[in-house]
Amino acid sequence: NAGVTQTPKFQVLKTGQSMTLQCAQDMNHEYMSWYRQDPGMGLRLIHYSVGAGITDQGEVPNGYNVSRSTTEDFPLRLLSAAPSQTSVYFCASRPLSGGTADTQYFGPGTRLTVL
Amino acid sequence: EDQVTQSPEALRLQEGESSSLNCSYTVSGLRGLFWYRQDPGKGPEFLFTLYSAGEEKEKERLKATLTKKESFLHITAPKPEDSATYLCAVHRSGGSYIPTFGRGTSLIVHP
Repeated sequence: NAGVTQTPKFQVLKTGQSMTLQCAQDMNHEYMSWYRQDPGMGLRLIHYSVGAGITDQGEVPNGYNVSRSTTEDFPLRLLSAAPSQTSVYFCASRPLSGGTADTQYFGPGTRLTVL
Repeated sequence: EDQVTQSPEALRLQEGESSSLNCSYTVSGLRGLFWYRQDPGKGPEFLFTLYSAGEEKEKERLKATLTKKESFLHITAPKPEDSATYLCAVHRSGGSYIPTFGRGTSLIVHP
């Protein structure tokens, strides 16, 4: 199993540009989520999904869109990048039931800089 | 509002010098408290889930404990490879899927 994969690893954008951060998992997990991690702050949830076709907002959703058309993929879209979105972004997944339901697996992260 | 406070922010230990990391929390109904390890430039790695006061879990040199107000991550005879940032998070009961993370404790173990 590859686990949770994210692309790209690094990205530099100019203010106002749009882009999509990719996330995929091969563990057949129902739950997938996106976090951002900023210096001096805890991980903050942006959006999450409990299954294909179902998404919901997390703690800091403004400026980001998500969709979930398959179990495996959960892309995060920045519609019009702003310097405040400079951060490290992590995708995570976990099952919603069973003995490992609370074991969350994180991807390696995407480091995004918005100029 | 749920809150998680981790202390200390940073901890330096000599190899073999045991210590504890603290995670104090405030949540309206705890479904679970989670510990993660994060190495520089990598994503967090799941360590433990604790569900009720009095529960303890162990993995190699790490032991996590839980009370109604806080959790401790005890590190016994640490090695340099235990150097990492340790994150604590809580999930509220009642169907919430939004966890609250602490800022983490950066641990450095010197040989």
